[in-house]
Amino acid sequence: EDQVTQSPEALRLQEGESSSLNCSYTVSGLRGLFWYRQDPGKGPEFLFTLYSAGEEKEKERLKATLTKKESFLHITAPKPEDSATYLCAVQRWSGGGADGLTFGKGTHLIIQP
Amino acid sequence: GAVVSQHPSRVICKSGTSVKIECRSLDFQATTMFWYRQFPKQSLMLMATSNEGSKATYEQGVEKDKFLINHASLTLSTLTVTSAHPEDSSFYICSARGGQYQETQYFGPGTRLLVL
Repeated sequence: EDQVTQSPEALRLQEGESSSLNCSYTVSGLRGLFWYRQDPGKGPEFLFTLYSAGEEKEKERLKATLTKKESFLHITAPKPEDSATYLCAVQRWSGGGADGLTFGKGTHLIIQP
Repeated sequence: GAVVSQHPSRVICKSGTSVKIECRSLDFQATTMFWYRQFPKQSLMLMATSNEGSKATYEQGVEKDKFLINHASLTLSTLTVTSAHPEDSSFYICSARGGQYQETQYFGPGTRLLVL
């Protein structure tokens, strides 16, 4: 069974204080690891897809990295508008069409001005 | 690009009634759509996968006779919660992939269902 564990559950930072969110995963054949951002009462917003160990992707203040067992979402000099829940999800290879995603519980990030 | 809409955004119904939720891909053809459910402070849980023109594939533990899914066109999937009960109250979110957006699932804004 695929498993995704995110830590910490919640993180409070001062504006400009950089940090990292962790996503540990277990999947039988990783097709892709996804990061999403979710604001309260809304659907997840796509951020990144990572496919293989060693891959990195960046977008503004966010950078995602991937190893064979975990992924990190690094946030550099965050601003209050970066406050949200960040979700990690994995998709496995299957013989048929696209599989659904297995999500972690998310990290609730609060950036204080 | 990759815009997915849901309707309604919020619905309140009485126990025993049926509720239909629509999911539309607005700017691409969604060959595959997914339905998820999210309880408060929990992760999104996949309920079912539907390919256009085919029967939906349900995850273990999800009752296919209770959660009816129809994916009749490349831009529309519907989820009908039949004979809803209070325990069905949740946040239902759809996602879609297809066309130029094959590798990533794009999510709708979600539908909050409250069954009284």
